[in-house]
Amino acid sequence: SQKIEQNSEALNIQEGKTATLTCNYTNYSPAYLQWYRQDPGRGPVFLLLIRENEKEKRKERLKVTFDTTLKQSLFHITASQPADSATYLCALDALSGGYNKLIFGAGTRLAVHP
Amino acid sequence: EAGVAQSPRYKIIEKRQSVAFWCNPISGHATLYWYQQILGQGPKLLIQFQNNGVVDDSQLPKDRFSAERLKGVDSTLKIQPAKLEDSAVYLCASSLEEASILQYFGPGTRLTVL
Repeated sequence: SQKIEQNSEALNIQEGKTATLTCNYTNYSPAYLQWYRQDPGRGPVFLLLIRENEKEKRKERLKVTFDTTLKQSLFHITASQPADSATYLCALDALSGGYNKLIFGAGTRLAVHP
Repeated sequence: EAGVAQSPRYKIIEKRQSVAFWCNPISGHATLYWYQQILGQGPKLLIQFQNNGVVDDSQLPKDRFSAERLKGVDSTLKIQPAKLEDSAVYLCASSLEEASILQYFGPGTRLTVL
């Protein structure tokens, strides 16, 4: 069956450290993978997109890697800050009826402590 | 640029009642999505519109859920009659492209069915 898995347990880290979140998938062949941030009571906000032919993408303190052999994406936040505390969702595209749709993981909650 | 607008933000109803949610996407975005997000899970696509046509409604429980996007702009999602398991946040999103890349989400409507 098709699955997208993110760590269901919250990730607690100290301010200034690097947070690493994992997204694994099975039985999908996505052309791209996206990461979103979701704060309580709000809709997800797009952060980064990485395509299947890209190994790594960076944006300020964020870095995403995409390994289509391992079927895994890693999301890193360097020099983490308490303001980075949120739930992070990975999403990949799946073809349905000739159109792409996004399939989301359940998300990993990140808590950055001062 | 104004974001995706949704109303109401909260709704409490009893089972078997009807409810409707409204969404106004970002101006110029041809693709509109309705998602259901149950607590602790990622958003699940219910229906995707391209302009005012439906391109994917494979996960919409059509016996009780309906959606329309008249004139290719704003959209309504209706549940009639509601069940307890419909308690969730209903998110509307829009994107410029039809390939589901870079979706902009509204704040969502939190529905509680008693």
